[in-house]
Amino acid sequence: GIQVEQSPPDLILQEGANSTLRCNFSDSVNNLQWFHQNPWGQLINLFYIPSGTKQNGRLSATTVATERYSLLYISSSQTTDSGVYFCAVGSGGSNYKLTFGKGTLLTVNP
Amino acid sequence: NAGVMQNPRHLVRRRGQEARLRCSPMKGHSHVYWYRQLPEEGLKFMVYLQKENIIDESGMPKERFSAEFPKEGPSILRIQQVVRGDSAAYFCASSPSRTEAFFGQGTRLTVV
Repeated sequence: GIQVEQSPPDLILQEGANSTLRCNFSDSVNNLQWFHQNPWGQLINLFYIPSGTKQNGRLSATTVATERYSLLYISSSQTTDSGVYFCAVGSGGSNYKLTFGKGTLLTVNP
Repeated sequence: NAGVMQNPRHLVRRRGQEARLRCSPMKGHSHVYWYRQLPEEGLKFMVYLQKENIIDESGMPKERFSAEFPKEGPSILRIQQVVRGDSAAYFCASSPSRTEAFFGQGTRLTVV
């Protein structure tokens, strides 16, 4: 099956800093989502982005499908951004079946 | 528009009991998915259902686990004769079509 690798595994930032999270995948995809799992365990949708670039406030994401990677940018980080960020992909006719990466654990200190 | 609703949020069962997890999809969503998050394995797909039909259950354990999405009412994930290894967070997601999935808050099952 498709492999998803996220980097870095852990990231510690001071409030106000910017960061870039990366997601590499081993095959072509037609479904890609970014999620934030907050410290209470909730999975929050950030982006549905199988290709192209999107922005939502301080967050933006870019997927370069031909090169099999996606990037999540967080600007002016806040303590509430802390948690685990997951990339999940789907491909082909079973693109509903999301394969998740292991996540990036982000800690934002005040 | 309410999000995906899962209940209960936390469930404690003794070994050998049954666990029933409920999921109400977002309004207008007819596709429901269940995922399990185990500490060492991450989030894994279990099953995909549409109203009254199981479309893909390739991620479901072969025994003790079943899922349904009846014409009326929520989707149910049922685990019979629970064992300690079933302790995990179970997430339900829904979508209007086979694209972007929206996740519920999860049910944390603890087997004692």
